[in-house]
Amino acid sequence: GQQVKQSSPSLTVQEGGISILNCDYENDMFDYFAWYKKYPDNSPTLLISVRSNVDKREDGRLTVFLNKSGKHFSLHITASQPEDTAVYLCAAGQQGTGSKLSFGKGAKLTVSP
Amino acid sequence: NSKVIQTPRYLVKGQGQKAKMRCIPEKGHPVVFWYQQNKNNEFKFLINFQNQEVLQQIDMTEKRFSAECPSNSPCSLEIQSSEAGDSALYLCASSRGADTQYFGPGTRLLVL
Repeated sequence: GQQVKQSSPSLTVQEGGISILNCDYENDMFDYFAWYKKYPDNSPTLLISVRSNVDKREDGRLTVFLNKSGKHFSLHITASQPEDTAVYLCAAGQQGTGSKLSFGKGAKLTVSP
Repeated sequence: NSKVIQTPRYLVKGQGQKAKMRCIPEKGHPVVFWYQQNKNNEFKFLINFQNQEVLQQIDMTEKRFSAECPSNSPCSLEIQSSEAGDSALYLCASSRGADTQYFGPGTRLLVL
């Protein structure tokens, strides 16, 4: 079964607003969590990642929140811009050499001007 | 920006034909992953290597695929006998080791 789930396949936000993307996972052993951005016909590009020893990480307009007890993590994008429009994939895995990632199916974010 | 190179970008094969795709990982990345993204946008892990050694692979890959990462040559993934269900985007990713994976542009395979 799907180990990482993105329950909302799409989201529309007004320019300047906050975009919130959510991800749930099943495996208690996961200790590495990441968000990737994917434009059409392009490969996923890493946006931000976090390890399980923290519950929040900020990088510019991006913040990842991790709730280990709830097996949930989210990506917040503040001051959303039209160029943020893309598919966002969450991924989780175990730290360690060669550990594979489990991905969600993605969520399409549309930021309207 | 990722520097993982994948060729070809598009591949069309008939059922039963071999389908081979290649990946050059980022310089200095000893770990290489292959994933399959199907039409439902589901990612499936296929196989990974550390240098030339296979670390993990799924049953399907072991039975139907041939993969290698020789030293000083591109990594490759080859389907021995393509099936319609193999039509998908095949993504190669490389990593320095512990976590962050950088993806190539993918090879989109269509099996007619």
